[in-house]
Amino acid sequence: NAGVMQNPRHLVRRRGQEARLRCSPVKGHSHVYWYRQLPEEGLKFMVYLQKENIIDESGMPKERFSAEFPKEGPSILRIQQVVRGDSAAYFCASSNWTGQETQYFGPGTRLLVL
Amino acid sequence: GDSVTQMEGPVTLSEEAFLTINCTYTATGYPSLFWYVQYPGEGLQLLLKATKADDKGSNKGFEATYRKETTSFHLEKGSVQVSDSAVYFCALRGSSASKIIFGSGTRLSIRP
Repeated sequence: NAGVMQNPRHLVRRRGQEARLRCSPVKGHSHVYWYRQLPEEGLKFMVYLQKENIIDESGMPKERFSAEFPKEGPSILRIQQVVRGDSAAYFCASSNWTGQETQYFGPGTRLLVL
Repeated sequence: GDSVTQMEGPVTLSEEAFLTINCTYTATGYPSLFWYVQYPGEGLQLLLKATKADDKGSNKGFEATYRKETTSFHLEKGSVQVSDSAVYFCALRGSSASKIIFGSGTRLSIRP
């Protein structure tokens, strides 16, 4: 009964490097969502993907951030040229095919930019 | 746009005390409402949900009732335990959207 898996759990990067965060949804789920949690704040929506498609990226910063959910393999959130302000916990959630079902969250990746 | 406002924390209570965490929302249409709980160093777990007016969500002794007239979804528990110490997030999902909108969270600490 594997839930949403995220790796790595902790990631340290220096300014200017790339960060690559992975999310494997619950088996059988085809909808993935990425959220960001800044310290002492609530989660903020970033992007919603179905297999091979971006459905809603209204919460994604316009530059340096990208996301994909290929036909095979995990969803990837990629942050290029990281800055200190990118330090946060990044959570992935998945849901069943309707996209309106309960979202199940992973344990998150905590990114620290030095 | 849609938004969620929940009471500021931290909230500190003694074991077996009564808990209320207030949550109000702004949304068009008929959103679904949720309470999520986050234990230290972990991700979010769905605690309970309600999808229409007057629905009551309940789980692990926690309850919340969807009140459309007051646009509220307050979380209550009759007798808290030390193990309930966590951060609680009120959230909504709009009737025509998939993304979840979260409140800022309320940190709850329970003293033995």
